[in-house]
Amino acid sequence: DTAVSQTPKYLVTQMGNDKSIKCEQNLGHDTMYWYKQDSKKFLKIMFSYNNKELIINETVPNRFSPKSPDKAHLNLHINSLELGDSAVYFCASSQDLGVYQETQYFGPGTRLLVL
Amino acid sequence: DQQVKQNSPSLSVQEGRISILNCDYTNSMFDYFLWYKKYPAEGPTFLISISSIKDKNEDGRFTVFLNKSAKHLSLHIVPSQPGDSAVYFCAASGAGTASKLTFGTGTRLQVTL
Repeated sequence: DTAVSQTPKYLVTQMGNDKSIKCEQNLGHDTMYWYKQDSKKFLKIMFSYNNKELIINETVPNRFSPKSPDKAHLNLHINSLELGDSAVYFCASSQDLGVYQETQYFGPGTRLLVL
Repeated sequence: DQQVKQNSPSLSVQEGRISILNCDYTNSMFDYFLWYKKYPAEGPTFLISISSIKDKNEDGRFTVFLNKSAKHLSLHIVPSQPGDSAVYFCAASGAGTASKLTFGTGTRLQVTL
């Protein structure tokens, strides 16, 4: 009965490939996020969506394209993968946007390794 | 530019003792602070938070202290338990950037028997 789930958990791929990571939340939340945790353990926000609308885009290369088919899903598509894209990607959700007391709930992470 | 810093990458504490995890921030626009706990192969989970209008917030064994003038916050865990062994992330957000959390790099806490 996972609240925020991500697939796949592990992803190993070659440079130049295109890959997608899926995220689903069953909490009924309106806002979803993608974070990247790099090798130095920095956990940085990449995108947030509220009711399927892009709210935050943190100067992420346009090779990264989030897609939100509905409020419960926020997928991350990455084109032309580079070595530096290797990281752990976390999806998160929260009830609302603009109320900063809202707790963000994180998925288990997707470990991406680009060879 | 690292706006939230956790200068201790690791901390080891005996069971039953107090664990104190520290966090410093540089952005004076931050007005809300959170601590997240992370176990291996899992996502971070929310632990406790504090608004800048307070200087202390307590929840069971966990207390967060905020010193705005020093731009410093700390998480106290008393008494520490083996199950508390995890990585603890400090995070901050500011007015106008409500959902955008800026995280520190984490402190790995090990509670020994």
